[in-house]
Amino acid sequence: AQTIHQWPVAEIKAVGSPLSLGCTIKGKSSPNLYWYWQATGGTLQQLFYSITVGQVESVVQLNLSASRPKDDQFILSTEKLLLSHSGFYLCAWRTGSNTGQLYFGEGSKLTVL
Amino acid sequence: GQQVQQSPASLVLQEGENAELQCNFSSTATQLQWFYQSPGGSLVSLLSNPSGTKHTGRLTSTTVTKERRSSLHISSSQTTDSGTYLCAIDPMSNYNVLYFGSGTKLTVEP
Repeated sequence: AQTIHQWPVAEIKAVGSPLSLGCTIKGKSSPNLYWYWQATGGTLQQLFYSITVGQVESVVQLNLSASRPKDDQFILSTEKLLLSHSGFYLCAWRTGSNTGQLYFGEGSKLTVL
Repeated sequence: GQQVQQSPASLVLQEGENAELQCNFSSTATQLQWFYQSPGGSLVSLLSNPSGTKHTGRLTSTTVTKERRSSLHISSSQTTDSGTYLCAIDPMSNYNVLYFGSGTKLTVEP
């Protein structure tokens, strides 16, 4: 069975500090990977997607970057956090098909102070 | 950009009642998907229904592509159905991108 794990579950960080959120998918080779973000009380927005290792496409610019260093790993990061980065981050995967179901991780809650 | 409008914003039901959620979108989509977001924030895919009617369990989705609208019907609601229901579409040019609506918050009271 496929599993998706996100880390950390929650973070409290200072403005200007770096951030790294991670996502690992086990049991599925070459998944399409996705990062989403939701401000508290806000609408879910897609940030990035990756179809293959080493290739990441940006959807919304939020002064964040993403990387896919391995087939099963997707990393979201920034060198300097802003207050506006606070919110809930979700990673998801699906098969490389436009009819494939999306499977989400449990999410990472980020609070920037 | 893509616009996805959901209504109502919130809905309160008594257990056993039915719910009807609406989603309107501004452009033709390849995929029209419904998701459930738990009060804790986790997300689960419910249905993918770009056109026509689809059933799964107590859920029925009807999408009229030409009219750019979709509905999600929940029959015999249960307290465990409480949460937020999100509708999302992808632009026809890229199925790897999804645009979400702001959701309908459903509360089912015992």
